[in-house]
Amino acid sequence: NAGVMQNPRHLVRRRGQEARLRCSPMKGHSHVYWYRQLPEEGLKFMVYLQKENIIDESGMPKERFSAEFPKEGPSILRIQQVVRGDSAAYFCASSPPSGGLTDTQYFGPGTRLTVL
Amino acid sequence: KQEVTQIPAALSVPEGENLVLNCSFTDSAIYNLQWFRQDPGKGLTSLLLIQSSQREQTSGRLNASLDKSSGRSTLYIAASQPGDSATYLCAPYGNNRLAFGKGNQVVVIP
Repeated sequence: NAGVMQNPRHLVRRRGQEARLRCSPMKGHSHVYWYRQLPEEGLKFMVYLQKENIIDESGMPKERFSAEFPKEGPSILRIQQVVRGDSAAYFCASSPPSGGLTDTQYFGPGTRLTVL
Repeated sequence: KQEVTQIPAALSVPEGENLVLNCSFTDSAIYNLQWFRQDPGKGLTSLLLIQSSQREQTSGRLNASLDKSSGRSTLYIAASQPGDSATYLCAPYGNNRLAFGKGNQVVVIP
C-alpha cells in the first residue's frame, strides 16, 4: 500500500502566478487534511476535506486559496496570485473513513513552494 | 484555540541515554494525540497514537503517556541511538485538526 503521495515535491513560482499542489491519499482513505509549515514555524492546519466535500476550511486564508477533493483523482490545493509570504512547505495527510477521531493521520512528503 | 508547547526546544544527548520529551496543550477536549518524527526537509512519520481514553502507548523503544485532564503528554525513547536524531512533534487532535508546536529537536551524539 503506497503512502500518501504529493506532487510536485518542489515548485517555484514568480509572484502573481498560480500554484497547484496535488495530494493522493493512501488507498482506502477518504479524508484529506492540508497543513502549511512556514520557515521556523510549526505546522498549521488549513483545510479538511472528504470526497466532494469541504468539511472545515477555517484555517485557510479567505482570498487566493482554495481546495478540492473530487470524486475521482487527487486533492488539489490551489493558490492564485502567489506572493512571497506563500513560500512554505505544504503537507497533506490522509486518514481512513472514520476520520481523525480515532485514526492515525498519515502524512505525505510535502511540496516545498518557493515564490520568487 | 489549541496551543501546544514542547520542552525542551532542543537537546543533545550521548548515545545510549534515555530521552524524555515533554508536550503540553491548552485545550483538553481532544480525541487523540499523535507523536511524529520529522527529519530535516522531510515529511512527518507517525510514531504513536494515543486515544483520549488511554493513558499510555508503547512501540519498541518508544513509550508515550497522556494525561488529558492536565493537558500533558510525554514521549520516552529508551537507549537512544544516532538514528533517533530528528525533530519530534506532539499533535493533539480536536476540532477537525491536528495542532502542532515547534517540536523537540534532538541530537544523539555517537
